[in-house]
Amino acid sequence: GIQVEQSPPDLILQEGANSTLRCNFSDSVNNLQWFHQNPWGQLINLFYIPSGTKQNGRLSATTVATERYSLLYISSSQTTDSGVYFCAVNYGGSQGNLIFGKGTKLSVKP
Amino acid sequence: KAGVTQTPRYLIKTRGQQVTLSCSPISGHRSVSWYQQTPGQGLQFLFEYFSETQRNKGNFPGRFSGRQFSNSRSEMNVSTLELGDSALYLCASSLSGTGVGYTFGSGTRLTVV
Repeated sequence: GIQVEQSPPDLILQEGANSTLRCNFSDSVNNLQWFHQNPWGQLINLFYIPSGTKQNGRLSATTVATERYSLLYISSSQTTDSGVYFCAVNYGGSQGNLIFGKGTKLSVKP
Repeated sequence: KAGVTQTPRYLIKTRGQQVTLSCSPISGHRSVSWYQQTPGQGLQFLFEYFSETQRNKGNFPGRFSGRQFSNSRSEMNVSTLELGDSALYLCASSLSGTGVGYTFGSGTRLTVV
């Protein structure tokens, strides 16, 4: 099956800093999504981005499908950005079910 | 509109017991998917139901089962609980279950002692 790898596994930032999270996938995908898991465990969808670039406030994401990677950019980080960020893909063999990476745990210090 | 509701939020069970978790999807969503999250294995797909039919099943033993009712609410059941079943169980609802447009609930945290 497809492999989804995220880096770095852990990231500690000072408030106001910028960061880039990476997601590599081993095969062609139908779609790619980024989620943020809050401290209460809920997964919040940030971007649906099978290709191209999207921006939403301080967050933006870019997926280069031909090179099989996606990047999530967080600018001017805030303590509320803390949590775990997951990349999840769906491909032909997964029949609509999401394959998640292991996540990047982000801690933003005040 | 109301989000995805999972009950209970926390649960403690003893090895060998069985447990039933509930998920109420967003109104109008016909697909409900279940995922297990553990520190070691991460997020793994359990199964997906659409219009009361199981369409897909992940690589879990038969002790894990589920069902969906006519109002799209779904339950998952784990029989003969093992310590390794301790996890956060998340459900997600969507209109079509094609992997797009998922809304996740806050999960049920199951602890097996």
